[in-house]
Amino acid sequence: EVHLLESGGGLVQSGGSLRLSCAASGFTFGSYAMSWVRQPPGKGLEWVSSISGSGGSTYYADSVKGRFTISRDESENTVYLQMNSLRADDTALYYCAKGAIFGVAGALDPWGQGTLVTVSS
Amino acid sequence: QSVLTQPPSASGTPGQRVTISCSGSSSNIGSNYVYWYQHLPGTAPKLLIYRNNQRPSGVPDRFSGSKSDTSASLAISGLRSEDEAAYYCAAWDDSLSGHWVFGGGTKLTVL
Repeated sequence: EVHLLESGGGLVQSGGSLRLSCAASGFTFGSYAMSWVRQPPGKGLEWVSSISGSGGSTYYADSVKGRFTISRDESENTVYLQMNSLRADDTALYYCAKGAIFGVAGALDPWGQGTLVTVSS
Repeated sequence: QSVLTQPPSASGTPGQRVTISCSGSSSNIGSNYVYWYQHLPGTAPKLLIYRNNQRPSGVPDRFSGSKSDTSASLAISGLRSEDEAAYYCAAWDDSLSGHWVFGGGTKLTVL
């Protein structure tokens, strides 16, 4: 069974940094794209970033480009989201999701339970 | 403002059929598959429909998806109380260097 466990969320001041982790199990991690999607309080889902199975291709939402970096460690079966220059509008529940084999444009399935990031201004 | 447009709310009584629309453009729905996710409060979003109209194993056939040009829709027949949730459409967008786009979500209420 596929399992995704996010961690690393917390309370941080505006301008600060956090690194989110998503530990994956139950599938051949290196073959699948991975994505981060967030949900601000009271709002809908917003895609943040995706990385291909090889790690050679990365994609970012305009709202986080230049501030966030997605990466993956095949030896740890973990995908990371390094978040710098955090702003109040980055406050959200951050979900990790397994993507399609190799490419990033396939179904996001399954999703983890999420980790909460709160940025105080 | 979301790139994909969904009605913010929908409702129906048990047993009814409800449809949720999702409108996009040529760079997303018009040229890529549409996906639908169900999100109940306090839980992880769940894939409901993939590749426009395919159901993952375990998803009841009460749920169906369709796509035409730059629009898509999710239909739920035989509405049940446990269907009360938020529903999101999503598609890959080929513009810029490529990115996912989501609808703003539709909150379904079972009356």
